[in-house]
Amino acid sequence: SQQGEEDPQALSIQEGENATMNCSYKTSINNLQWYRQNSGRGLVHLILIRSNEREKHSGRLRVTLDTSKKSSSLLITASRAADTASYFCATERNSWGKLQFGAGTQVVVTP
Amino acid sequence: ETGVTQSPTHLIKTRGQQVTLRCSSQSGHNTVSWYQQALGQGPQFIFQYYREEENGRGNFPPRFSGLQFPNYSSELNVNALELDDSALYLCASSLPLGTSENEQFFGPGTRLTVL
Repeated sequence: SQQGEEDPQALSIQEGENATMNCSYKTSINNLQWYRQNSGRGLVHLILIRSNEREKHSGRLRVTLDTSKKSSSLLITASRAADTASYFCATERNSWGKLQFGAGTQVVVTP
Repeated sequence: ETGVTQSPTHLIKTRGQQVTLRCSSQSGHNTVSWYQQALGQGPQFIFQYYREEENGRGNFPPRFSGLQFPNYSSELNVNALELDDSALYLCASSLPLGTSENEQFFGPGTRLTVL
């Protein structure tokens, strides 16, 4: 079963625009992570935000976490064609290392 | 590139057969997790190995089994294959359990097709 749900399921934008996707989850968590996947290949870790953090930045990425609403958002600023991929949020409930993924948001960035 | 490798890249099997998938973890990582990703879905946790012992299992039947070796490489074995086992199988390695930043490093996956 999926712990998280991403919204929207798909997003189509033009280069230079910002892309925002949201993730909601059901149970309390230790941390929430965002991953990127190109064309059904391996996942690449983008950013991890702990349950006691509210916002985190990494390059063009900005992640927020609202534990009271059990939700997170990922913002990609000034998108590029190379950002075209599927983006997944994953929650970790303890330091055990089991990740529960959502179904993902498919992002297409057109030149 | 994460340093995690998987073999084979693609595999085609028929129902009822058995399959073994392999994973080499990133140097220094003693924890390996396996995930199944059906088409259009997010990855689902199968199980995790830590220091050669199974350390947690998702909602998968016993015909999914695994091994971890002293060099921390790992195998996933699936017996009595079913059509629904067709998926991308991903392994991920990570630092020792309890590390606060538990980032997982994923391999490129093995695409299994069951006919």
